[in-house]
Amino acid sequence: SAVISQKPSRDICQRGTSLTIQCQVDSQVTMMFWYRQQPGQSLTLIATANQGSEATYESGFVIDKFPISRPNLTFSTLTVSNMSPEDSSIYLCSVAARGNEQYFGPGTRLTVT
Amino acid sequence: GDSVTQMEGPVTLSEEAFLTINCTYTATGYPSLFWYVQYPGEGLQLLLKATKADDKGSNKGFEATYRKETTSFHLEKGSVQVSDSAVYFCALKGVFGNTDKLIFGTGTRLQVFP
Repeated sequence: SAVISQKPSRDICQRGTSLTIQCQVDSQVTMMFWYRQQPGQSLTLIATANQGSEATYESGFVIDKFPISRPNLTFSTLTVSNMSPEDSSIYLCSVAARGNEQYFGPGTRLTVT
Repeated sequence: GDSVTQMEGPVTLSEEAFLTINCTYTATGYPSLFWYVQYPGEGLQLLLKATKADDKGSNKGFEATYRKETTSFHLEKGSVQVSDSAVYFCALKGVFGNTDKLIFGTGTRLQVFP
């Protein structure tokens, strides 16, 4: 299984600012994913990030709000822009594995005040 | 579209009790099915999976069988421990549309007391 790290692990931000979350994988992977887990809720896919192409966003998520970069096969960033308290969530990145499953990073816990 | 329904929690058990967490799904064809576990303050860990009908996934004493006829993938463990206290998510990966995404249930919190 892949080892995935995320930075920062948590942050408290003021409304109107932006935060960039980094996701690093210890091996090369084609597909990376970004999920949001709102307090007490399940996970919702924000977007799929493939290296060398634009990220594909799910319904309800837009690039202006959640720009994603995927500069190489081991790294991706998600930016949460112009934050509001409703953006307070845990943001998780994951990677697709050969066996059809996904492996997840530890998550970034974001609180917007 | 595809969806997953889990029993609501919390599920509260005494140590060594039998555990069942129900999960049913709606999907076209034969999706892959997964159970993930989230321990307090941590990310998600894959617990077990099944990719075709009648497959049984198992890990760490947990089991789940892919039942096509009842569209279910219930999680079971014969004797829970305090260390099993966590949130358990059932998920599927469909075979039509966006086949890369995981669709999660709402999660079931398990609390095990000594």
